[in-house]
Amino acid sequence: GIQVEQSPPDLILQEGANSTLRCNFSDSVNNLQWFHQNPWGQLINLFYIPSGTKQNGRLSATTVATERYSLLYISSSQTTDSGVYFCAVPPGGTYKYIFGTGTRLKVLA
Amino acid sequence: GAGVSQSPSNKVTEKGKDVELRCDPISGHTALYWYRQSLGQGLEFLIYFQGNSAPDKSGLPSDRFSAERTGGSVSTLTIQRTQQEDSAVYLCASSFAPAQETQYFGPGTRLLVL
Repeated sequence: GIQVEQSPPDLILQEGANSTLRCNFSDSVNNLQWFHQNPWGQLINLFYIPSGTKQNGRLSATTVATERYSLLYISSSQTTDSGVYFCAVPPGGTYKYIFGTGTRLKVLA
Repeated sequence: GAGVSQSPSNKVTEKGKDVELRCDPISGHTALYWYRQSLGQGLEFLIYFQGNSAPDKSGLPSDRFSAERTGGSVSTLTIQRTQQEDSAVYLCASSFAPAQETQYFGPGTRLLVL
């Protein structure tokens, strides 16, 4: 089955720093979503981004489907950005979303 | 309601008992998903509904797990004869349409099997 790997697995930043999170997937997909799971466990959708680039405030994402990766950019990080970031993809022709291994981010004040 | 709701928020049960977990999706959302997240792990797909039908049940771990959805709205995930390895957070998500739309997650049900 499709493999979804995220890097880095853990990241510690000082408040105000920028970061790039990566999601690699092993097979072609028709769409991709990025989620943030806050320290209380709530999952929030950040982007639905099957291809191209999207921006939402301090966050932006780029998916290059032909090369099977997506990047999530966090600029001017804040302590509220702490948590785990997941990407998720459904293998072609299915609705069975496969979640990546996650990147655990801690932003220090 | 404004978001996806799940009940109960926490459930403690004894090994061998049956449990029912409920999900109320966002009104108008036709697609509904169940996932499981074990402690410190990623999310594992369980089942997906389009309307009241479940075209993909491939993620259900065993025949002790079943799910149904009625009226294109509320869904129930049932675990029979619970085992300790069933302990996890069970998350429900809904979207306007399958796969092509943003998924919105509920707060989850934390299940502990003693």
